[in-house]
Amino acid sequence: GAVVSQHPSWVICKSGTSVKIECRSLDFQATTMFWYRQFPKQSLMLMATSNEGSKATYEQGVEKDKFLINHASLTLSTLTVTSAHPEDSSFYICSARGARWGYTFGSGTRLTVV
Amino acid sequence: ELKVEQNPLFLSMQEGKNYTIYCNYSTTSDRLYWYRQDPGKSLESLFVLLSNGAVKQEGRLMASLDTKARLSTLHITAAVHDLSATYFCAVDLSFGNEKLTFGTGTRLTIIP
Repeated sequence: GAVVSQHPSWVICKSGTSVKIECRSLDFQATTMFWYRQFPKQSLMLMATSNEGSKATYEQGVEKDKFLINHASLTLSTLTVTSAHPEDSSFYICSARGARWGYTFGSGTRLTVV
Repeated sequence: ELKVEQNPLFLSMQEGKNYTIYCNYSTTSDRLYWYRQDPGKSLESLFVLLSNGAVKQEGRLMASLDTKARLSTLHITAAVHDLSATYFCAVDLSFGNEKLTFGTGTRLTIIP
């Protein structure tokens, strides 16, 4: 079946620094990738949708300059949290959609900003 | 704007009992997904329902979809402790605008 690899699984960073999270589709080409964030005991909120080779589409209220998304190939998308602050601490999950497999989710990244 | 609501938000039930989680959504869609999430983990796909009247079963879980009522149900039969988790439904919009909107989630606790 379809597998999406997400790294790192967890990261702790200092306030003001940037953090990059990678999402790779291992055995299929992902035409579209999605980035979600999830606060404790809450649901998943879609942050942005990205298609290979084009700019990401951000959901309302998501700062595009803070959450940089790059979808350079059909198997890789990255999310960079720039100038991270404690309020950015959250669980970030990527999802990839291929022509055949529907939605496949990565294992998630727990970001803690101190 | 698509809204997806689940109820109950919290459910505590005894082992061996049956119960149903409900998922209502506000916009026409015929593609609905159910996921399970364990604490600290990502999502595990349970069911994909792609048409009105679709019913799928896996073990003690059964999901159904009524697109006319904009309602999906996840039925748990003879619950066991291993089913304790948070369950999410998610709705996919129409072709050309595919993206999942998640429900509020139902935190299920099975008591021995």
